[in-house]
Amino acid sequence: GNSVTQMEGPVTLSEEAFLTINCTYTATGYPSLFWYVQYPGEGLQLLLKATKADDKGSNKGFEATYRKETTSFHLEKGSVQVSDSAVYFCALKKAAGNKLTFGGGTRVLVKP
Amino acid sequence: DAGVIQSPRHEVTEMGQEVTLRCKPISGHDYLFWYRQTMMRGLELLIYFNNNVPIDDSGMPEDRFSAKMPNASFSTLKIQPSEPRDSAVYFCASSLSRVLSYGYTFGSGTRLTVV
Repeated sequence: GNSVTQMEGPVTLSEEAFLTINCTYTATGYPSLFWYVQYPGEGLQLLLKATKADDKGSNKGFEATYRKETTSFHLEKGSVQVSDSAVYFCALKKAAGNKLTFGGGTRVLVKP
Repeated sequence: DAGVIQSPRHEVTEMGQEVTLRCKPISGHDYLFWYRQTMMRGLELLIYFNNNVPIDDSGMPEDRFSAKMPNASFSTLKIQPSEPRDSAVYFCASSLSRVLSYGYTFGSGTRLTVV
């Protein structure tokens, strides 16, 4: 079946540091890939997405590239801010059906 | 559009009482999902609907949980009787299936505390 594996947190880093959150997936075919962010006390919000191999999704300084050969969709940001402290979820959606499969989430804490 | 609207935002109830959580999806969306989030279990899919019809309720933890979608603009998740272990944040999400790249839009959640 489909599955998403992401690095366990928490990830703690200082402001302006480089952030990478690893995400790998298992699925047949060509799923769409997503990153969601959940700020404290809020619901999940779509951060970025990619729908085919080599696509790069980007938003708010975050980027992730759909790597079919390594079945990965790692999230990166060059210089984090305190306001980026949140839980980040990687997810995939297959062409057939409308069900998102989520990873376990990675908590990120950015200290001033 | 106002997004996915959930009510109430917070609910505190006593063990044994009935609890009803409400959700209004985005107009035109044909899928609706109910999730539960806890520190221990993370994000769990409870049930989802397509065009108001329940498709998969395998995530519903017990018979105490039930969900309905009487029309395209409203869904409820009911817990009867409630227990302290049901304390969690419950999220509703909706989606448009005909667009593959379309993710889910989540509501702000209902934080349920059963004492």
